[in-house]
Order: sequence, then structure tokens, then C-alpha cells
Amino acid sequence: NAGVTQTPKFRILKIGQSMTLQCTQDMNHNYMYWYRQDPGMGLKLIYYSVGAGITDKGEVPNGYNVSRSTTEDFPLRLELAAPSQTSVYFCASSTRGNYGYTFGSGTRLTVV
Amino acid sequence: AQTVTQSQPEMSVQEAETVTLSCTYDTSESDYYLFWYKQPPSRQMILVIRQEAYKQQNATENRFSVNFQKAAKSFSLKISDSQLGDAAMYFCAYRLYNNNDMRFGAGTRLTVKP
Repeated sequence: NAGVTQTPKFRILKIGQSMTLQCTQDMNHNYMYWYRQDPGMGLKLIYYSVGAGITDKGEVPNGYNVSRSTTEDFPLRLELAAPSQTSVYFCASSTRGNYGYTFGSGTRLTVV
Repeated sequence: AQTVTQSQPEMSVQEAETVTLSCTYDTSESDYYLFWYKQPPSRQMILVIRQEAYKQQNATENRFSVNFQKAAKSFSLKISDSQLGDAAMYFCAYRLYNNNDMRFGAGTRLTVKP
């Protein structure tokens, strides 16, 4: 049972570079989410999706883009990385929006 | 805007003792869900317990239970018979019934002393 798989686990980017954080779930969940966790803070929602082809902004979407071409995959794209995007990124999924989420193990991103 | 406040940045408990972690939230809505998540050093977020706001009965999961006070907008987590494996960051979270934006508190770091 893989659950929610995130890759990579760690990454260092230079300012202005771009990258895609991968997220895959094998539980056939319709709902998927991207959160970021800054030091000493709780998680903040970046983007979410309620099904393939449908995405919407969360609390902190600036500097990010997402796509949802399949039920399983929900990649997060960072364009023109900035130091303010240094954080730990979590992908999550759920069967319905009002149930608890299943989280991936996170990606620690550092922008220098 | 909904906010979640955890007023205890750090807590400590002796093994086998009981500890209560506090959480308050701010909302004008009546239909919502509340959650407690555990984040051990592995960084994995693990759902501990969930409470629907329309239920008056407090949720319980083995050694974990909540004290849900809807009027006071309070949602504390009680851990009984604390174990070394309970040491982690604990996050309180809130979600409106038909909203996909789950709001998290800043977390409480729990240390369990042998």
C-alpha cells in the first residue's frame, strides 16, 4: 500500500530555476491537495483539486501552478524559484473533502 | 477568516501520565470538522482523531480523546497513558463542511520523558 508518494524528498534550487514536485496516489481519491509548511508554522494550502481536470487556488497560490490530468497524479510546478519558497511541501489526498487527509512524506525544498 | 490557535508551543509529559493539548478556533460557521494530526520526526502527517461539529459526543480513539466545546470554540486533545512513541508535533486543524481549505494551527511539540 503506497498511499501518497512524493518525489523528490529533498531538493536545492537556485534563484530563478524551475522545478516540478511530483505527487501520486494509488487510493483512487478524487480530492488532492498541496500544502507548504514553513518553520514553526502550520500547513498552508497552495492548490487543491476535486477531480481530474479541476483545480483551484488555496490560501498561498502565488508562484505555483498545478495540473490534474489523471486521478492519480497532481504535480506542483514552481516557476522562477525565490528564497521565500524555501519550505517543506506536502501533498495529500482524501476520498471526500470532509474526511481526514492522507499525506505524503513531504519534499524539503531550499532556494539559494 | 478562519483561524486556529494552539497556545502551547511545547509540552512535556512523563511516560504513562496524561497530557492535554489545547486548541481554539475562530469561525462564524456552524458546520465544520476538526482534526488532530501528529507529525513525528519522520515528517509524515498522521491523522489522530476527527470530530464533526454537529456531534455533541466527544470523539475517542484508543488513548486519544478530545474535549470539544463548541460554544467556546475549543478542541483540546487528551493523551492518556503517554508512550515514548507519542513524542511529536501535534497540529490542530479546522475545515468547513463544504470547503477544501483545511486550516492548521502552528503546532505543539510534545516531549515524553521516560
